[in-house]
Amino acid sequence: EPEVTQTPSHQVTQMGQEVILRCVPISNHLYFYWYRQILGQKVEFLVSFYNNEISEKSEIFDDQFSVERPDGSNFTLKIRSTKLEDSAMYFCASSGVLGQSVANVLTFGAGSRLTVL
Amino acid sequence: SQQGEEDPQALSIQEGENATMNCSYKTSINNLQWYRQNSGRGLVHLILIRSNEREKHSGRLRVTLDTSKKSSSLLITASRAADTASYFCATDPVSGGYNKLIFGAGTRLAVHP
Repeated sequence: EPEVTQTPSHQVTQMGQEVILRCVPISNHLYFYWYRQILGQKVEFLVSFYNNEISEKSEIFDDQFSVERPDGSNFTLKIRSTKLEDSAMYFCASSGVLGQSVANVLTFGAGSRLTVL
Repeated sequence: SQQGEEDPQALSIQEGENATMNCSYKTSINNLQWYRQNSGRGLVHLILIRSNEREKHSGRLRVTLDTSKKSSSLLITASRAADTASYFCATDPVSGGYNKLIFGAGTRLAVHP
């Protein structure tokens, strides 16, 4: 069964450092997302991406965050200068199949745990 | 409160019992979905109910939707220890298109053998 893969599974970084989290969405999906979950809390929407541009972003997704689809398979989330409060699990998800009008059901990756010290 | 609020926050039951989780939301929706998350893992889609549907079944899962009350419930019948996980409702807002689903904080279900 197709799956969304995320790397790294866990990253520890110092405050102020740049972090890049990588995702390989399902190959025929059109929409890509990043969500985050602070330990034990709600799953928060960060950004959605379609047709090589951001389609929507939340208030959390400020100038410190950026997303990119550098090639036909990868989808990355960059945090330029990490803060302690960026410590969370970051989930990538994808949805939407070309030529099919279906409900927006997300397929999630296993997540990347970011720890900022 | 936020869109997609589940209650209870935590639920502890014995194997074989039924588990009911509730979700409330605020805006008009295209559909409402339930996802499951095992500890430290990603979310897995369980079931979707459209705004014009009132009840849906899938195996041991039963979902209801009351759009007048903006609420939904997830019932897991004959629970098993393997059902232990967090369960999240997610709403697909009418204005959202494919832009996002909005998740709540989840219900942590513990099923004891």
